[in-house]
Amino acid sequence: EDQVTQSPEALRLQEGESSSLNCSYTVSGLRGLFWYRQDPGKGPEFLFTLYSAGEEKEKERLKATLTKKESFLHITAPKPEDSATYLCAVQASNTGKLIFGQGTTLQVKP
Amino acid sequence: EAGVAQSPRYKIIEKRQSVAFWCNPISGHATLYWYQQILGQGPKLLIQFQNNGVVDDSQLPKDRFSAERLKGVDSTLKIQPAKLEDSAVYLCASSFGPSATDTQYFGPGTRLTVL
Repeated sequence: EDQVTQSPEALRLQEGESSSLNCSYTVSGLRGLFWYRQDPGKGPEFLFTLYSAGEEKEKERLKATLTKKESFLHITAPKPEDSATYLCAVQASNTGKLIFGQGTTLQVKP
Repeated sequence: EAGVAQSPRYKIIEKRQSVAFWCNPISGHATLYWYQQILGQGPKLLIQFQNNGVVDDSQLPKDRFSAERLKGVDSTLKIQPAKLEDSAVYLCASSFGPSATDTQYFGPGTRLTVL
């Protein structure tokens, strides 16, 4: 069964304290792995798509990496405005639909 | 470019009542999705449309949920009758196509509370 697990469930950081969020997945043929950011009361906002192991993408303080079993979202020198829930999702090649993890809620304190 | 529009933003109903949600996707997007997001969980796909045809409704509780996408643009999701466990945020998303290279863009969601 296709499955996505994110860890930790919650993460508190001081401003400037770098860290990583983990997304472990099992899927029957990976079409793509997606990272979204979700602020309270809003819909998920697209961040990255990764397609194959070894691929990396960056956007401002965020960097996403992909292996055959997991993805990491690295946050370098975070700011309070990076506080949000980060969602990981995979798209399986046999079904095409997105399967989301439960998310990691990040709080960055000034 | 206008994003995905949804209405209403909030809805409170009694159990056994009916409710409907509306979604207007990004112009030109052929694929439309409805997701259910229960508090503390990630979104779960309920139904996927390609133009006005259903591609995947395997996780839609068809005894109480229905959805349609007339003319391949706007879509409505209906729940009748509602149960307590239907309390969730209902998200609509759209993409140019169904492939992994076609990013799904989400609307703000409708928060449903069933009392």
